[in-house]
Amino acid sequence: AQSVAQPEDQVNVAEGNPLTVKCTYSVSGNPYLFWYVQYPNRGLQFLLKYITGDNLVKGSYGFEAEFNKSQTSFHLKKPSALVSDSALYFCAVSITGRRALTFGSGTRLQVQP
Amino acid sequence: GAGVSQSPSNKVTEKGKDVELRCDPISGHTALYWYRQSLGQGLEFLIYFQGNSAPDKSGLPSDRFSAERTGGSVSTLTIQRTQQEDSAVYLCASSPRLAGSAGTEAFFGQGTRLTVV
Repeated sequence: AQSVAQPEDQVNVAEGNPLTVKCTYSVSGNPYLFWYVQYPNRGLQFLLKYITGDNLVKGSYGFEAEFNKSQTSFHLKKPSALVSDSALYFCAVSITGRRALTFGSGTRLQVQP
Repeated sequence: GAGVSQSPSNKVTEKGKDVELRCDPISGHTALYWYRQSLGQGLEFLIYFQGNSAPDKSGLPSDRFSAERTGGSVSTLTIQRTQQEDSAVYLCASSPRLAGSAGTEAFFGQGTRLTVV
C-alpha cells in the first residue's frame, strides 16, 4: 500500500522568511511524488513533482521540494514566503502501475505580513 | 475546454434525495478521477476511469455511490439516498494517462460543494 503523511496541520511563517511544509511517504517501490496547492474555494493546482534524477525539484511560484530517499521525505520549501502563499498544501504519492494518486491530509500555510 | 469543469459548483439537497454531479474533463484526457474532500480531511479517492478499461471503483464508500463515464468524456457521479455524512466537496480530475504513471500529474476541477440538510 502507498501512504502519505503530512505531520503538521498548520504552518505559520512571517512574510519574507523561509518556509517548509513537511511530507513523508511510504511505498513498496520507487515513488512519484507531487505537491498541490488549494486556494479557498478553488480546486487543486499542481506545483511540482519528483519522478527521478535530481533530488531538488523546482516548481511554480518559486517553490521547490527535496526528495530524500533515506528519510522517505519530500518537503516543500520556499526561500522567502509571501502573504499570497497562504493556502492549503497537499502532498501526494504514486508508484508505477498503481491506480490514482494518494494524498496526504493537507497542511494549511499561513503567512503573516 | 481549457480545464476540468464541474457542475454544479454548489448543491444543497435534503437527506434521502438523489444527486448527480457532473465532470467535463480536459479534451483528450483518457483518465478521469473522482475524489472527496471532507472538512478538515485530505482527499479521499473514490473512483477512476482509464480509457475503455473497467473503472476502479474500490474507493466508493457504499453502494449508494456510483459513477459512469459516457463516450470516454463526461462523467457523472451519482449519490442515492443522500446522508448528512455525504456533505463534502467532490473533486474531479483528469490526466492524459493514468496519474502517477511515469509521473503524470492530474488536473483538477474546482469541485462541487455538496451539503445535505
